[in-house]
Amino acid sequence: QKEVEQNSGPLSVPEGAIASLNCTYSDRVSQSFFWYRQYSGKSPELIMSIYSNGDKEDGRFTAQLNKASQYVSLLIRDSQPSDSATYLCAVNISGSARQLTFGSGTQLTVLP
Amino acid sequence: DTAVSQTPKYLVTQMGNDKSIKCEQNLGHDTMYWYKQDSKKFLKIMFSYNNKELIINETVPNRFSPKSPDKAHLNLHINSLELGDSAVYFCASSHGLAGGPAAFFGPGTRLTVL
Repeated sequence: QKEVEQNSGPLSVPEGAIASLNCTYSDRVSQSFFWYRQYSGKSPELIMSIYSNGDKEDGRFTAQLNKASQYVSLLIRDSQPSDSATYLCAVNISGSARQLTFGSGTQLTVLP
Repeated sequence: DTAVSQTPKYLVTQMGNDKSIKCEQNLGHDTMYWYKQDSKKFLKIMFSYNNKELIINETVPNRFSPKSPDKAHLNLHINSLELGDSAVYFCASSHGLAGGPAAFFGPGTRLTVL
């Protein structure tokens, strides 16, 4: 079983819609969760981090964490064409200090 | 500019050659990493150094040898390059927070082995 799993997509949403990106992880005691955005040909860029159950909002982005279900998601409200990118979920797997394990990413396309 | 920088950006070479990639960060972070991203965009950690000391060494062929002359630099040397080494290599850095790392990535080095 992969440690961090994402639906690879591609996911297409119309401009202005809510994009919902999902991620599940296998290690029940993982503590730290991150979302990165990667534009084609560019490096990953950290956009959200979340450590506690519940929602965390930052502008148009909301990260949601449910440790009981081992599930973390990213919602993008009022999606814009500039949000089109690959979104990578990363988890700090327990016992691996300072190590992030990444999912394979979900490719998002926002259609004008 | 505060950043993670790497050189070169592109590297095209023949099988069997030896090459190096350099990385520097001026963010004051104590931990540096090398990641490999394959053609399917899967990003996997290779090495991690904390204050010049190796703390993570994933299952990577010993043809890959990292070297950290100081905590702001982490270089990657690759011997006897193979076709399967073609990928984008990202250097990253972070500072160890109680809640876990949040790596800041360099621009990447696209390695093509012919």
